[in-house]
Amino acid sequence: AQSVSQHNHHVILSEAASLELGCNYSYGGTVNLFWYVQYPGQHLQLLLKYFSGDPLVKGIKGFEAEFIKSKFSFNLRKPSVQWSDTAEYFCAFTGSYIGGYQKVTFGIGTKLQVIP
Amino acid sequence: EAQVTQNPRYLITVTGKKLTVTCSQNMNHEYMSWYRQDPGLGLRQIYYSMNVEVTDKGDVPEGYKVSRKEKRNFPLILESPSPNQTSLYFCASSSDRGTSEAFFGQGTRLTVV
Repeated sequence: AQSVSQHNHHVILSEAASLELGCNYSYGGTVNLFWYVQYPGQHLQLLLKYFSGDPLVKGIKGFEAEFIKSKFSFNLRKPSVQWSDTAEYFCAFTGSYIGGYQKVTFGIGTKLQVIP
Repeated sequence: EAQVTQNPRYLITVTGKKLTVTCSQNMNHEYMSWYRQDPGLGLRQIYYSMNVEVTDKGDVPEGYKVSRKEKRNFPLILESPSPNQTSLYFCASSSDRGTSEAFFGQGTRLTVV
């Protein structure tokens, strides 16, 4: 079964601090990887995605993530966080096909709180 | 504007009273899903649909039903809601057999008393 592990469930940072959120997936085949963000009271939105090519992916609002295949990891980074980055972050991936549909698996999320 | 619309946004109901949460997308996506979001458990898929009249169970389908009579609509039905179905529900749609990004609705916060 495919699964996603997000290591930090709650992270508190001061503004301008650097951010790295860990994500490891469990699946032996080709994957598509995503990071979604959920701002307080809102729905999930795509932050960035990796399908193929350059393993360093840049997303919106200064976020980036690096796919390291040998480590089954897709960690999210931002060099300097802002108060507006306070949100919950979900790592997700698609792996196995089930009847023509590629199943999406989400991690349990990491709540980021940025203190001004 | 591309969007997924869910209604209602908030709902309080009593145990056993049937309810339907509607979901509609305007992107002509083939794939639609329902998720529930619970603290500490993240997003769990309830049901998904690959196209009109094609639906299948996700990870937590017990107590839920869905239908896909039209491409744009994917309602979630709780025939006899129970308190353990109190949760935040999201509908999502995507193209390309689910490989592309998912577009989410605004969510429905359901409380069953």
